Amino acid sequence: AQKVTQAQTEISVVEKEDVTLDCVYETRDTTYYLFWYKQPPSGELVFLIRRNSFDEQNEISGRYSWNFQKSTSSFNFTITASQVVDSAVYFCALSEAYKLSFGAGTTVTVRA
Amino acid sequence: DVKVTQSSRYLVKRTGEKVFLECVQDMDHENMFWYRQDPGLGLRLIYFSYDVKMKEKGDIPEGYSVSREKKERFSLILESASTNQTSMYLCASTQGLALATDTQYFGPGTRLTVL
Repeated sequence: AQKVTQAQTEISVVEKEDVTLDCVYETRDTTYYLFWYKQPPSGELVFLIRRNSFDEQNEISGRYSWNFQKSTSSFNFTITASQVVDSAVYFCALSEAYKLSFGAGTTVTVRA
Repeated sequence: DVKVTQSSRYLVKRTGEKVFLECVQDMDHENMFWYRQDPGLGLRLIYFSYDVKMKEKGDIPEGYSVSREKKERFSLILESASTNQTSMYLCASTQGLALATDTQYFGPGTRLTVL
């Protein structure tokens, strides 16, 4: 069975602080994909990143960075120098054939 | 830009009513999905359609049905709404099913309250 765990339900930070979101997954597949989505207050999920199981390189995109560690089955997401616009719910997801299995989400609140 | 629209942002219905949630995408995508989102549970797949008139059950199809008569439109139907179907419903579409390259695009969601 596939499973994605986001242990942090809510995180509150002050603007310019860094925030790291944890994601731990379970799968028996040897080839799989991991995703992060952002859900701002407007509601629609916005795709942020996709990672395949064979690529463990960390990735940085602007203020966002991702740390994929297969040995610990983790795919963590860091927002550097957070801004109020980063306030959203963030979901980690794992591929299951053609479907996505989502974690429960982490609500990030960035206070000015 | 891909646009996925949902007919209502907020909906209030009574127990036992038949409820239709509509989703339209404008990118000629083959595949469409209905999810429900609940606190602490994330998103769970209700139904999936891979072509017109074709559908497949997701993880929680009980109490729901779907209709896809046209490629761009995917409807979720609650035959007899119950209070435990109070939730946020999200529609998504994607061109292909190769998760290596195809991205699911989501609508803004419909928050349904069943009284």
